[in-house]
Amino acid sequence: GAVVSQHPSRVICKSGTSVKIECRSLDFQATTMFWYRQFPKKSLMLMATSNEGSKATYEQGVEKDKFLINHASLTLSTLTVTSAHPEDSSFYICSARDSVRQGPYQPQHFGDGTRLSIL
Amino acid sequence: QKEVEQNSGPLSVPEGAIASLNCTYSDRGSQSFFWYRQYSGKSPELIMFIYSNGDKEDGRFTAQLNKASQYVSLLIRDSQPSDSATYLCAVNGPTGGFKTIFGAGTRLFVKA
Repeated sequence: GAVVSQHPSRVICKSGTSVKIECRSLDFQATTMFWYRQFPKKSLMLMATSNEGSKATYEQGVEKDKFLINHASLTLSTLTVTSAHPEDSSFYICSARDSVRQGPYQPQHFGDGTRLSIL
Repeated sequence: QKEVEQNSGPLSVPEGAIASLNCTYSDRGSQSFFWYRQYSGKSPELIMFIYSNGDKEDGRFTAQLNKASQYVSLLIRDSQPSDSATYLCAVNGPTGGFKTIFGAGTRLFVKA
């Protein structure tokens, strides 16, 4: 159980393109999902917390107009990197927690990540 | 002060040995504690979670929690080369709205 599907797994596109990444909880409902970014050999960096039916909460230093988050249902959150540039190239990972059934102390389960390369 | 601290490593152990990974946390209100394994280029994978003081065993893995000392550890028995990865300690509690705080991870290398 507790499977999180993230799509696409890899994106290569030109500078200026907007890229949408989907994160789905397949066998549980998640009122909260999380978006992380990770550079090679570096730590996970939390970008934002995605809340179903409300605005996302962004971490300090993360531009909300650059990284648009939509959490329209209990099983789907999307991250859109708008007008992406080479410096946005990174490994983006989502996670979700089965907070509906099990409460907020449960572990996060991660998607497989999206490797974004902006040329 | 970092909220969750881990030795970055690398921790190198021979195959078959016990690998001991340690983590300290600063928030005394923390309630749940997790260990994730992350292979290079992959996303983290949950391997253990623990909520109560003491030991919790699952196969070759044992998580140990000491809330008084604000310390959590992971033991890997009979280490295998396939255990070579970065191990992330994570802590969750009501502070900050149940946001899970991750350590920077310890790199483990198991030598064949």
